[in-house]
Amino acid sequence: RKEVEQDPGPFNVPEGATVAFNCTYSNSASQSFFWYRQDCRKEPKLLMSVYSSGNEDGRFTAQLNRASQYISLLIRDSKLSDSATYLCVVNIYNFNKFYFGSGTKLNVKP
Amino acid sequence: DTAVSQTPKYLVTQMGNDKSIKCEQNLGHDTMYWYKQDSKKFLKIMFSYNNKELIINETVPNRFSPKSPDKAHLNLHINSLELGDSAVYFCASSQERQVNTGELFFGEGSRLTVL
Repeated sequence: RKEVEQDPGPFNVPEGATVAFNCTYSNSASQSFFWYRQDCRKEPKLLMSVYSSGNEDGRFTAQLNRASQYISLLIRDSKLSDSATYLCVVNIYNFNKFYFGSGTKLNVKP
Repeated sequence: DTAVSQTPKYLVTQMGNDKSIKCEQNLGHDTMYWYKQDSKKFLKIMFSYNNKELIINETVPNRFSPKSPDKAHLNLHINSLELGDSAVYFCASSQERQVNTGELFFGEGSRLTVL
């Protein structure tokens, strides 16, 4: 079983839409949680960390539910430039070990 | 200046050959990694080095041998290449104090195709 599972999508949404992604993780000892963004044929880049209390960065809101072991990312007012693959990442035990989900692809259309 | 640079960006080779990918970071980070991203876009850690010492070695065939001559460089040598080795290999780095923030800095990737 993979450490981190995500719906691969694609999610096809119009500009201005609100879209939400979830991911689940299998290890209850997971300590830190993140969302990364990866553009087509590019390297992943950190989008935001995810905190238990939930956190927001502009149009992006991340939530963590430790009891259910899932993480969510909400994007409001989608822009064309949000089109990318969003990777859910957890850090388990050793702070040097990051486990990536396979990503959820988002296509924002005009 | 590129923070994490890896060469070559593209590599096409025959089965059975040996090849190397080089990585350098100019961020002054202590920890460097190799990740493999397969055709299903699954990004999996292979190795991690901290100050030239190997600290993570996931279940990777011993045909893969990393080498870190200093903390700014982490190279990957692959012997006897197989079709299943075709993937994008990403080098990454992080600073210990930033690791818990999830801040991994990735290179642009090296796309390996084995024919």
